[in-house]
Amino acid sequence: DGGITQSPKYLFRKEGQNVTLSCEQNLNHDAMYWYRQDPGQGLRLIYYSQIVNDFQKGDIAEGYSVSREKKESFPLTVTSAQKNPTAFYLCASSIAVASEAFFGQGTRLTVV
Amino acid sequence: KNEVEQSPQNLTAQEGEFITINCSYSVGISALHWLQQHPGGGIVSLFMLSSGKKKHGRLIATINIQEKHSSLHITASHPRDSAVYICAATNIIQGAQKLVFGQGTRLTINP
Repeated sequence: DGGITQSPKYLFRKEGQNVTLSCEQNLNHDAMYWYRQDPGQGLRLIYYSQIVNDFQKGDIAEGYSVSREKKESFPLTVTSAQKNPTAFYLCASSIAVASEAFFGQGTRLTVV
Repeated sequence: KNEVEQSPQNLTAQEGEFITINCSYSVGISALHWLQQHPGGGIVSLFMLSSGKKKHGRLIATINIQEKHSSLHITASHPRDSAVYICAATNIIQGAQKLVFGQGTRLTINP
């Protein structure tokens, strides 16, 4: 079955550590996105990538980094510079610009 | 004021009732998504529409571009419809699709 896989579902890290969230898709989609969701707020865009080896900052990119070495994969690193990393992180992809977006199941990151 | 506003924020109804969730947006859009988020967090895309009306099973989505308003309707609601429903306006910025999300409507259907 085609889809987007995020792993792990729950992640705990100590403050000051970098952590990488995985996002893999087998939908052959060119565009991939990372969103952050906080309680009572809408999802906010962290980074997006329209094509391999290219990515752009979203609205809240500070403290995050990404790579897009393969079409299928768009990992997100939450660095120690991110002031409030505890949140729910969602990855999405779309076949092209202005196409329907497909979402993963999310990773809930808790930093203690 | 958020660019995408949903109402109501919370909605509780009895099984079988007709449900309407509203979404108003202030940005220019190329399309509007309706999404469903179940407990546990995963999001499923229900509809993507840029005009008129779409129907899938008991779900109906409408959009009025001139009024910048969309509605999601659920007919014959069922407890399994309980979820958070999110509308998201799609903009094309610098050749990339960017979604602006509403805060969501938490729907609870009681048996």
